[in-house]
Amino acid sequence: GENVEQHPSTLSVQEGDSAVIKCTYSDSASNYFPWYKQELGKRPQLIIDIRSNVGEKKDQRIAVTLNKTAKHFSLHITETQPEDSAVYFCAAPLVSGTYKYIFGTGTRLKVLA
Amino acid sequence: DGGITQSPKYLFRKEGQNVTLSCEQNLNHDAMYWYRQDPGQGLRLIYYSQIVNDFQKGDIAEGYSVSREKKESFPLTVTSAQKNPTAFYLCASSGTSGNTIYFGEGSWLTVV
Repeated sequence: GENVEQHPSTLSVQEGDSAVIKCTYSDSASNYFPWYKQELGKRPQLIIDIRSNVGEKKDQRIAVTLNKTAKHFSLHITETQPEDSAVYFCAAPLVSGTYKYIFGTGTRLKVLA
Repeated sequence: DGGITQSPKYLFRKEGQNVTLSCEQNLNHDAMYWYRQDPGQGLRLIYYSQIVNDFQKGDIAEGYSVSREKKESFPLTVTSAQKNPTAFYLCASSGTSGNTIYFGEGSWLTVV
């Protein structure tokens, strides 16, 4: 079936260390992979995305890598800061004639000062 | 994100009542969505719509209903058949398949 698996569910890192969150998707036709950050009580906000024609994209301390063969993509946060603490969600919109977005189950990142 | 307006932000429902959450977007997006989020949990798809007068069930549609009479509007009704409706409800929209999905600020629904 259609699903997106996200790991780990919780992640604690020391300030300044790197954090990596991984998602695996099932629909090989998916071609767009966004990452969202959600702070407590707020709406999810897009932080970075990648399309299937590239393998990596970077934006300052944040990067996303995509492995289409293995059907997984990862979020990398370097030099973590306390304000990076939040819940992060990946998503894989299906493209087979629908607009259905499937989200991962979320990763709660805690950056320890 | 500022182009998606949800109302009300907080809503209380009595047992046996139907309530409707409003969602309006001025982004000229074709697709609109409703997600439910329970405390500490992920986003579960309730319904989505790709075009006017058409919508599809998501993973947890039971006890909910929607309409899409206008491109800009996608209201969600939480019916009395939804036995545990207390949650954070997020409306979203996107331009075309495989494009960024944007969220409204959300509506908190509590059963009293």
